[in-house]
Amino acid sequence: QKEVEQDPGPLSVPEGAIVSLNCTYSNSAFQYFMWYRQYSRKGPELLMYTYSSGNKEDGRFTAQVDKSSKYISLFIRDSQPSDSATYLCAMGLTQGGSEKLVFGKGTKLTVNP
Amino acid sequence: DTEVTQTPKHLVMGMTNKKSLKCEQHMGHRAMYWYKQKAKKPPELMFVYSYEKLSINESVPSRFSPECPNSSLLNLHLHALQPEDSALYLCASSQGWGARNQPQHFGDGTRLSIL
Repeated sequence: QKEVEQDPGPLSVPEGAIVSLNCTYSNSAFQYFMWYRQYSRKGPELLMYTYSSGNKEDGRFTAQVDKSSKYISLFIRDSQPSDSATYLCAMGLTQGGSEKLVFGKGTKLTVNP
Repeated sequence: DTEVTQTPKHLVMGMTNKKSLKCEQHMGHRAMYWYKQKAKKPPELMFVYSYEKLSINESVPSRFSPECPNSSLLNLHLHALQPEDSALYLCASSQGWGARNQPQHFGDGTRLSIL
């Protein structure tokens, strides 16, 4: 079993749809959880970051973490064509004085006008 | 624009060349990272520097040689690379020790092609 599982998609939705992206993980040592967005030919951009179970909202984006089920989600409301990108979940832990991340495979999202 | 700056954006080199990738951040972060990303794959960790000292080397071949001259700069020296080393090389930084559980911020990468 991989440490982090993420459905690679691709996922195609119409503009205005609610998008749900999910990841599961197996290592209970992970301390914090992130979602990154990566446009083509760009580096990953930090979207959401949380370290506790529950919901965290930022504009149209909501990150949800359930540590007991080892499951995280990202919801995008009122999706826009500009949201078309690859979304990477990442789990982090502190190791050797620095932060080590384990990424999911990424989900490619296309929002159609 | 990201707060982690990488140069050059693109690099084409032959297998016998020596080149260097550069990364700079001015966020006061004390941990810096090199990742390799192949097409349609997530980033793979190569090296971690914490307070200018190498703290993690993920069994990377010696043809990749990292260097951290100071807390703001990170270099990756390349020599005798193979065609399979063609990839996007990403630099990231985070606050580091004493700032627990801080996320990493990435640059836009150097797209490397080996002929």
